[in-house]
Amino acid sequence: GQNIDQPTEMTATEGAIVQINCTYQTSGFNGLFWYQQHAGEAPTFLSYNVLDGLEEKGRFSSFLSRSKGYSYLLLKELQMKDSASYLCAVREGNYQLIWGAGTKLIIKP
Amino acid sequence: IAGITQAPTSQILAAGRRMTLRCTQDMRHNAMYWYRQDLGLGLRLIHYSNTAGTTGKGEVPDGYSVSRANTDDFPLTLASAVPSQTSVYFCASSPGAEGDTQYFGPGTRLTVL
Repeated sequence: GQNIDQPTEMTATEGAIVQINCTYQTSGFNGLFWYQQHAGEAPTFLSYNVLDGLEEKGRFSSFLSRSKGYSYLLLKELQMKDSASYLCAVREGNYQLIWGAGTKLIIKP
Repeated sequence: IAGITQAPTSQILAAGRRMTLRCTQDMRHNAMYWYRQDLGLGLRLIHYSNTAGTTGKGEVPDGYSVSRANTDDFPLTLASAVPSQTSVYFCASSPGAEGDTQYFGPGTRLTVL
Protein backbone atom coordinates (compact mmCIF):
# COMPACT_ATOMS: atom_id res chain seq x y z
CA GLY A 1 0.00 0.00 0.00
CA GLN A 2 0.91 3.65 0.01
CA ASN A 3 2.60 5.09 3.05
CA ILE A 4 4.55 8.24 3.77
CA ASP A 5 6.07 8.71 7.22
CA GLN A 6 7.39 11.87 8.82
CA PRO A 7 7.96 12.80 12.46
CA THR A 8 4.95 14.57 13.91
CA GLU A 9 6.86 17.36 15.61
CA MET A 10 10.43 18.61 16.00
CA THR A 11 11.98 21.40 18.03
CA ALA A 12 15.14 23.31 17.15
CA THR A 13 16.97 26.45 18.20
CA GLU A 14 17.26 29.67 16.22
CA GLY A 15 20.49 29.70 14.21
CA ALA A 16 20.89 25.92 14.31
CA ILE A 17 20.44 23.21 11.65
CA VAL A 18 17.57 20.74 11.54
CA GLN A 19 16.93 17.69 9.35
CA ILE A 20 13.38 16.51 8.72
CA ASN A 21 13.15 12.95 7.43
CA CYS A 22 10.56 11.37 5.17
CA THR A 23 10.27 7.71 4.26
CA TYR A 24 7.88 6.41 1.68
CA GLN A 25 6.44 3.19 0.34
CA THR A 26 4.50 3.71 -2.86
CA SER A 27 3.59 1.56 -5.85
CA GLY A 28 5.39 3.96 -8.18
CA PHE A 29 7.73 6.92 -7.98
CA ASN A 30 7.83 9.99 -10.19
CA GLY A 31 9.29 12.61 -7.88
CA LEU A 32 9.22 13.85 -4.28
CA PHE A 33 8.15 17.29 -3.13
CA TRP A 34 8.61 19.30 0.03
CA TYR A 35 6.16 22.02 0.94
CA GLN A 36 6.08 24.52 3.80
CA GLN A 37 2.81 25.40 5.51
CA HIS A 38 2.49 28.13 8.11
CA ALA A 39 -0.41 27.81 10.52
CA GLY A 40 -3.68 28.87 8.92
CA GLU A 41 -2.12 29.27 5.50
CA ALA A 42 -1.79 27.30 2.28
CA PRO A 43 1.14 24.99 1.52
CA THR A 44 3.90 26.59 -0.56
CA PHE A 45 6.44 24.75 -2.69
CA LEU A 46 9.98 24.33 -1.36
CA SER A 47 11.76 21.67 -3.38
CA TYR A 48 11.49 18.82 -5.85
CA ASN A 49 13.70 15.74 -6.22
CA VAL A 50 13.35 13.09 -8.89
CA LEU A 51 16.96 11.84 -9.06
CA ASP A 52 19.14 10.64 -6.19
CA GLY A 53 21.22 13.27 -4.51
CA LEU A 54 21.11 16.67 -2.91
CA GLU A 55 19.31 19.74 -4.22
CA GLU A 56 20.37 22.99 -2.57
CA LYS A 57 18.35 26.16 -2.56
CA GLY A 58 19.65 28.84 -0.24
CA ARG A 59 19.22 27.82 3.39
CA PHE A 60 17.13 24.79 2.39
CA SER A 61 18.41 21.54 0.88
CA SER A 62 16.58 18.35 0.01
CA PHE A 63 18.05 14.88 -0.41
CA LEU A 64 16.63 11.80 -2.08
CA SER A 65 17.57 8.11 -2.09
CA ARG A 66 15.15 6.20 -4.28
CA SER A 67 16.60 2.80 -3.40
CA LYS A 68 15.95 3.45 0.29
CA GLY A 69 12.62 5.24 -0.16
CA TYR A 70 14.03 8.10 1.84
CA SER A 71 14.29 11.86 1.68
CA TYR A 72 15.23 14.61 4.06
CA LEU A 73 14.83 18.37 4.16
CA LEU A 74 17.73 20.24 5.71
CA LEU A 75 17.19 23.73 7.07
CA LYS A 76 20.26 25.77 7.98
CA GLU A 77 20.64 29.00 9.98
CA LEU A 78 17.16 28.59 11.39
CA GLN A 79 15.03 31.69 11.77
CA MET A 80 11.88 32.16 13.82
CA LYS A 81 9.90 32.48 10.58
CA ASP A 82 10.84 28.87 9.77
CA SER A 83 8.37 27.74 12.41
CA ALA A 84 5.83 25.89 10.25
CA SER A 85 4.75 22.45 9.16
CA TYR A 86 6.80 20.74 6.47
CA LEU A 87 4.95 18.38 4.16
CA CYS A 88 6.51 15.55 2.17
CA ALA A 89 4.64 14.36 -0.93
CA VAL A 90 5.34 11.67 -3.51
CA ARG A 91 4.11 11.59 -7.08
CA GLU A 92 3.35 8.00 -8.08
CA GLY A 93 2.13 8.51 -11.62
CA ASN A 94 1.38 11.54 -13.70
CA TYR A 95 -0.01 14.44 -11.69
CA GLN A 96 -1.45 13.33 -8.39
CA LEU A 97 0.50 13.48 -5.13
CA ILE A 98 0.38 11.33 -2.01
CA TRP A 99 0.99 13.40 1.10
CA GLY A 100 2.54 12.72 4.46
CA ALA A 101 0.82 14.14 7.56
CA GLY A 102 3.51 16.80 7.93
CA THR A 103 6.15 17.67 10.52
CA LYS A 104 5.49 20.62 12.79
CA LEU A 105 8.77 22.45 13.38
CA ILE A 106 9.00 24.64 16.46
CA ILE A 107 11.88 27.13 16.60
CA LYS A 108 12.97 28.40 20.00
CA PRO A 109 15.07 31.52 20.61
CA ILE B 1 -6.41 38.16 -9.82
CA ALA B 2 -3.01 36.57 -9.37
CA GLY B 3 -2.74 32.83 -8.75
CA ILE B 4 -5.60 30.90 -7.22
CA THR B 5 -8.56 32.31 -5.34
CA GLN B 6 -11.09 30.43 -3.26
CA ALA B 7 -14.46 31.49 -1.87
CA PRO B 8 -15.77 31.66 0.72
CA THR B 9 -12.89 32.03 3.18
CA SER B 10 -14.93 30.29 5.84
CA GLN B 11 -18.46 28.99 6.21
CA ILE B 12 -20.67 27.47 8.88
CA LEU B 13 -23.26 25.17 7.36
CA ALA B 14 -26.20 23.20 8.72
CA ALA B 15 -26.13 19.48 8.05
CA GLY B 16 -28.16 18.51 5.02
CA ARG B 17 -27.57 21.78 3.19
CA ARG B 18 -26.00 22.00 -0.24
CA MET B 19 -22.80 24.01 -0.58
CA THR B 20 -20.48 24.93 -3.44
CA LEU B 21 -16.89 25.96 -2.81
CA ARG B 22 -15.46 28.07 -5.59
CA CYS B 23 -11.96 27.96 -7.03
CA THR B 24 -10.57 30.12 -9.82
CA GLN B 25 -7.05 30.29 -11.24
CA ASP B 26 -5.60 32.74 -13.74
CA MET B 27 -2.39 30.88 -14.56
CA ARG B 28 -3.88 28.88 -17.45
CA HIS B 29 -2.94 25.66 -15.68
CA ASN B 30 -4.35 22.50 -17.17
CA ALA B 31 -4.64 20.44 -13.98
CA MET B 32 -6.66 21.34 -10.88
CA TYR B 33 -7.25 19.55 -7.58
CA TRP B 34 -9.40 19.64 -4.49
CA TYR B 35 -7.96 18.50 -1.16
CA ARG B 36 -9.21 18.38 2.38
CA GLN B 37 -6.88 18.78 5.32
CA ASP B 38 -7.74 17.46 8.75
CA LEU B 39 -5.67 17.64 11.92
CA GLY B 40 -3.14 14.83 12.09
CA LEU B 41 -3.79 13.67 8.56
CA GLY B 42 -2.06 14.53 5.33
CA LEU B 43 -3.76 16.36 2.53
CA ARG B 44 -6.27 14.00 0.97
CA LEU B 45 -7.30 14.31 -2.64
CA ILE B 46 -11.05 14.57 -3.21
CA HIS B 47 -11.31 15.11 -6.96
CA TYR B 48 -9.01 16.25 -9.72
CA SER B 49 -9.14 17.43 -13.30
CA ASN B 50 -6.25 16.93 -15.69
CA THR B 51 -7.73 19.28 -18.28
CA ALA B 52 -10.93 21.23 -18.94
CA GLY B 53 -13.86 18.92 -19.58
CA THR B 54 -12.46 15.95 -17.63
CA THR B 55 -12.60 15.05 -13.95
CA GLY B 56 -11.52 12.12 -11.81
CA LYS B 57 -12.02 10.73 -8.33
CA GLY B 58 -9.33 10.99 -5.72
CA GLU B 59 -8.86 9.22 -2.42
CA VAL B 60 -12.00 10.52 -0.65
CA PRO B 61 -14.63 11.45 -3.28
CA ASP B 62 -17.82 10.31 -1.53
CA GLY B 63 -20.27 13.13 -0.83
CA TYR B 64 -18.50 15.53 -3.20
CA SER B 65 -18.83 16.40 -6.88
CA VAL B 66 -16.89 18.65 -9.23
CA SER B 67 -17.16 20.10 -12.70
CA ARG B 68 -14.60 21.64 -15.06
CA ALA B 69 -16.45 23.60 -17.70
CA ASN B 70 -13.44 25.78 -18.52
CA THR B 71 -9.73 26.08 -17.72
CA ASP B 72 -10.07 28.64 -14.93
CA ASP B 73 -12.85 27.35 -12.66
CA PHE B 74 -13.14 24.16 -10.64
CA PRO B 75 -16.06 24.27 -8.17
CA LEU B 76 -16.55 21.64 -5.48
CA THR B 77 -20.11 20.81 -4.41
CA LEU B 78 -21.31 19.10 -1.25
CA ALA B 79 -24.77 17.86 -2.17
CA SER B 80 -25.95 17.26 1.40
CA ALA B 81 -23.37 18.27 3.98
CA VAL B 82 -22.57 16.04 6.98
CA PRO B 83 -20.52 16.89 10.10
CA SER B 84 -17.65 14.63 8.95
CA GLN B 85 -17.11 17.06 6.08
CA THR B 86 -15.96 19.70 8.54
CA SER B 87 -12.45 20.46 7.32
CA VAL B 88 -10.18 22.93 5.58
CA TYR B 89 -10.50 22.64 1.82
CA PHE B 90 -7.68 23.59 -0.49
CA CYS B 91 -7.85 24.00 -4.22
CA ALA B 92 -4.61 23.61 -6.18
CA SER B 93 -3.48 23.78 -9.78
CA SER B 94 -0.46 22.71 -11.82
CA PRO B 95 0.62 23.30 -15.41
CA GLY B 96 -0.14 19.68 -16.19
CA ALA B 97 3.23 18.34 -17.24
CA GLU B 98 5.18 15.60 -15.51
CA GLY B 99 7.32 16.88 -12.68
CA ASP B 100 5.38 20.10 -12.35
CA THR B 101 4.53 21.84 -9.10
CA GLN B 102 1.14 22.25 -7.51
CA TYR B 103 0.15 25.76 -6.37
CA PHE B 104 -2.43 26.16 -3.66
CA GLY B 105 -5.25 28.56 -3.00
CA PRO B 106 -5.71 30.12 0.45
CA GLY B 107 -8.26 27.52 1.57
CA THR B 108 -11.85 27.44 2.80
CA ARG B 109 -12.58 26.54 6.39
CA LEU B 110 -15.90 24.69 6.47
CA THR B 111 -17.83 23.74 9.59
CA VAL B 112 -20.87 21.51 9.28
CA LEU B 113 -23.13 21.46 12.33
